[in-house]
Order: sequence, then structure tokens, then C-alpha cells
Amino acid sequence: AQSVTQLDSQVPVFEEAPVELRCNYSSSVSVYLFWYVQYPNQGLQLLLKYLSGSTLVKGINGFEAEFNKSQTSFHLRKPSVHISDTAEYFCAVSVYKLSFGAGTTVTVRA
Amino acid sequence: NAGVTQTPKFQVLKTGQSMTLQCAQDMNHNSMYWYRQDPGMGLRLIYYSASEGTTDKGEVPNGYNVSRLNKREFSLRLESAAPSQTSVYFCASLDATYGYTFGSGTRLTVV
Repeated sequence: AQSVTQLDSQVPVFEEAPVELRCNYSSSVSVYLFWYVQYPNQGLQLLLKYLSGSTLVKGINGFEAEFNKSQTSFHLRKPSVHISDTAEYFCAVSVYKLSFGAGTTVTVRA
Repeated sequence: NAGVTQTPKFQVLKTGQSMTLQCAQDMNHNSMYWYRQDPGMGLRLIYYSASEGTTDKGEVPNGYNVSRLNKREFSLRLESAAPSQTSVYFCASLDATYGYTFGSGTRLTVV
């Protein structure tokens, strides 16, 4: 069985500050890893994914994530956030189907 | 535009009523999924269909049925709606290279 734990339910951050959203996963087999963003009252948009290869993955809107197999983590980072990054972020793991974490709400303040 | 289309976008039901949520994708994907999203719980898989003609239960299948009508369409049916089924429902399809594509969601309220 696979599972995902997002370690922070809410992350307040000031504009232009860096942000890190933490995600740990468990699985008995190799996995694919994803980060999705959901803006208020909208659907899910893929930020980035790790399928194989380089452990540092770059996504849209300046986000990146690092896959750490030994620590079973896939943390998401952005060096400088904007007000428009206010959203909910979901980490997800896929073996045969996609399982989501509970989500992290990021609120960016001026 | 290519993607996943869900209908309706909003629905209010009375307890005990039935309804079908429709999902269609035009990307020729084999696998399709139904999720529900509830506050603080992320998205939970209700049912999925790995290919046309097959369906399997996910984490929270009770109270739901699905039909994979053809490769494009995957519908979710609530036979007797309950307030606990108030949620936002997302349909998704899977491409092995590009990952999952989600529809815009159906916001369902059961009163």
C-alpha cells in the first residue's frame, strides 16, 4: 500500500520570502511523485512530477522539488513567493493509482 | 480544447435522490478515475477504471457506482444520496507520459 503525509496543514509566508512544503511518502515499490496546486474554487493543476532520473525536478511558476529516496521525501520549494501563489498544494504518489496527501494551504501576505 | 470535461458543475440534491455525474476525456487515455475532495482530507479515490470495460473500487466506494461507457466516458452514480456525500467530485484521466489530467470538478450538496 502507498500513502502520503504532508507535514504542514497551513503555511503562512510573506511575499518574496522562500517557502518549503514538506511531503513524505511510504511505498513498498518504486513510485512516481507529483505536486498539484489548487487555486480557490478551481480544479487541480500539475506543478511538477518525478518519474525517474534527476532527483531535482523543476516545475511551473518557479517551483522545484527534490526526491530523496533514503528519506522517502519529496519536498516542494520556491525561493520567492508572490501573492498569486496563495493556494492549496497537494503532494501525491502513484504506483497503480494516485494517492493524495491532505494538502497544505499556503497564504502569502504582503 | 483537449482535456477532461465534467458535468454538471454544481448540483443540489435532496437526501434519497439519485443522480449521475458525467465525465468525458478526449485524450484517448486508457485509465480514468473518480475522486472526492473534502476539507482537510485531500482527494480520496472512489473508483477507477484501468481500461475500457474494467472498473475497481478505490478507498471510499460505498454509496457509489460507476460505468465505463466507452473509452471516453466514465460516469459516477449516487443511487440514494446522503448528506455525507456532500463534496467536490473530480474526474481524472491518465497518460503514462504526462501524468494525470483533472476535470474542473462538480460541487455537490445533499440536503
